[in-house]
Amino acid sequence: GIQVEQSPPDLILQEGANSTLRCNFSDSVNNLQWFHQNPWGQLINLFYIPSGTKQNGRLSATTVATERYSLLYISSSQTTDSGVYFCAAPFSGNTPLVFGKGTRLSVIA
Amino acid sequence: DTAVSQTPKYLVTQMGNDKSIKCEQNLGHDTMYWYKQDSKKFLKIMFSYNNKELIINETVPNRFSPKSPDKAHLNLHINSLELGDSAVYFCASSQRANTQYFGPGTRLTVL
Repeated sequence: GIQVEQSPPDLILQEGANSTLRCNFSDSVNNLQWFHQNPWGQLINLFYIPSGTKQNGRLSATTVATERYSLLYISSSQTTDSGVYFCAAPFSGNTPLVFGKGTRLSVIA
Repeated sequence: DTAVSQTPKYLVTQMGNDKSIKCEQNLGHDTMYWYKQDSKKFLKIMFSYNNKELIINETVPNRFSPKSPDKAHLNLHINSLELGDSAVYFCASSQRANTQYFGPGTRLTVL
């Protein structure tokens, strides 16, 4: 099945800094999602991005499907951005998501 | 107007008991899932249902039995609970291979 790897595993940022999180996947995908798990445990959808670039406020994501990676950019980070960021892709077609191990982000004031 | 809801949010129980977690989605999706998140935050699929039929059953002990009475509901029943079952269980839904939406999770603690 597909392998999903994320880096870095941990990241500490000063408020206002920018960061890039990376997700590599071992096989071609027709679906890739980024999630934010907040400190209360909620899994929040950030992007559905099998290819191309999308932006939502201070967050943007780019997936280069041919090279099997996706990037999540966080600009002007805020303390509320803290939590764990997951990327996930299905093993094939219409199947459940395989999650990476996540990047734990701490933004300090 | 919650999209995917789960009850209960917290569940504390003794080893050996049987418990159920309920999930409902009001998005009109045809596929529902159960995922387990362990203490290290690893998220892993347990079951996948499409139009009330079991599609995927990952290596989950048969003490776990999902039941889908209709397309909008996927409940998880767990028999003879063990300490290792303590985790957060997430229900999710999607329309085919499109975006999956997750419920708020149920934190199960087995004492």
